Amino acid sequence: RKEVEQDPGPFNVPEGATVAFNCTYSNSASQSFFWYRQDCRKEPKLLMSVYSSGNEDGRFTAQLNRASQYISLLIRDSKLSDSATYLCVVNNNAGNMLTFGGGTRLMVKP
Amino acid sequence: GAVVSQHPSRVICKSGTSVKIECRSLDFQATTMFWYRQFPKKSLMLMATSNEGSKATYEQGVEKDKFLINHASLTLSTLTVTSAHPEDSSFYICSARPPGQGYNEQFFGPGTRLTVL
Repeated sequence: RKEVEQDPGPFNVPEGATVAFNCTYSNSASQSFFWYRQDCRKEPKLLMSVYSSGNEDGRFTAQLNRASQYISLLIRDSKLSDSATYLCVVNNNAGNMLTFGGGTRLMVKP
Repeated sequence: GAVVSQHPSRVICKSGTSVKIECRSLDFQATTMFWYRQFPKKSLMLMATSNEGSKATYEQGVEKDKFLINHASLTLSTLTVTSAHPEDSSFYICSARPPGQGYNEQFFGPGTRLTVL
């Protein structure tokens, strides 16, 4: 079983739609959780950290369920510019080593 | 946010040659940097952790004699792909986290796309 698993997609949605991605992780001792965004042939960039209480940043909402070991990302009112691959990332130890999921590809269409 | 640069951004080389990739933290000192590799349509895989002033820590399955890492200063880590072969063609990305408690994220360099002919 992979340490961090995501549905690779692609998710094809129209502009304005709401889309949700889930991610599961296998290490119950995982400490920190993130969603990164990666555009084609570019480096990953932090979209948002994920906190136990859930957090929201504009159109983006992240949730963490430690009991079930899954993380979610909700994107409301999708824009064309949201088209990218979304990476679920887990930090398992204080050494700041990140484990990446395989990514979920989102394509927002006009 | 913090800035990490990589050089070169793209390199094409013949099989058997060695290629050096530089990773620099431009506005902070990084005692630890990380090297990742990403194959097409795959996720980033951690290759090694680069430690300033000491030996790198390699992930299982990564040959330390083939992927030489040198972290000679607090702002520079280098990855040398020795005797490169076509299967080493990939996107190599480094990352670093600024020191202190204020930063929770790692900042990534723009990546180096290596093509071995």
